[in-house]
Amino acid sequence: KNQVEQSPQSLIILEGKNCTLQCNYTVSPFSNLRWYKQDTGRGPVSLTIMTFSENTKSNGRYTATLDADTKQSSLHITASQLSDSASYICVVSAHSGYALNFGKGTSLLVTP
Amino acid sequence: DGGITQSPKYLFRKEGQNVTLSCEQNLNHDAMYWYRQDPGQGLRLIYYSQIVNDFQKGDIAEGYSVSREKKESFPLTVTSAQKNPTAFYLCASSIAGGITDTQYFGPGTRLTVL
Repeated sequence: KNQVEQSPQSLIILEGKNCTLQCNYTVSPFSNLRWYKQDTGRGPVSLTIMTFSENTKSNGRYTATLDADTKQSSLHITASQLSDSASYICVVSAHSGYALNFGKGTSLLVTP
Repeated sequence: DGGITQSPKYLFRKEGQNVTLSCEQNLNHDAMYWYRQDPGQGLRLIYYSQIVNDFQKGDIAEGYSVSREKKESFPLTVTSAQKNPTAFYLCASSIAGGITDTQYFGPGTRLTVL
């Protein structure tokens, strides 16, 4: 069964600090992996997308990494801001079929 | 949220009533999707449509129905057969139905059944 596991479930950090969110998956055959940011009560917004051949992708202060061998991805947030407080969702696609496989998300709270 | 609108933002209904959630997009996307989000769970696919007048069931289609009469519109009806309809509903669209196509989400509708 295709699964996407994210850790930690929730995280609290001080403004200005860095943090790293983890995503492990068992989706096969792997096609691509996305990270989405979802503000409370809003729809998710895409941050990055990586295919099998990519191991790093940046979007401003967000840097995603992918290790397709170990089936792990991370999202690193640099110099956090209060506006980074949100849920971060890892989404993995398989080559076969259509469906996206969503993780449950990591809830990040950045405090002053 | 891009060019995807969902209405209303909040919806309250009595148990046993059908309710229709609106989703409109002006992105000229062929594919549209409906997801359900519950606390502590990942998004789950209800229905998707890759072209007008065609749609397929997702993982949790029971108790829901959709139509795709126009490219820009994909309404979702939550019927009385849906046992636990209270949830946050998200509509999305993508340029086509390809697995590498980014899905763009609307702002969501929070449905509460009393």
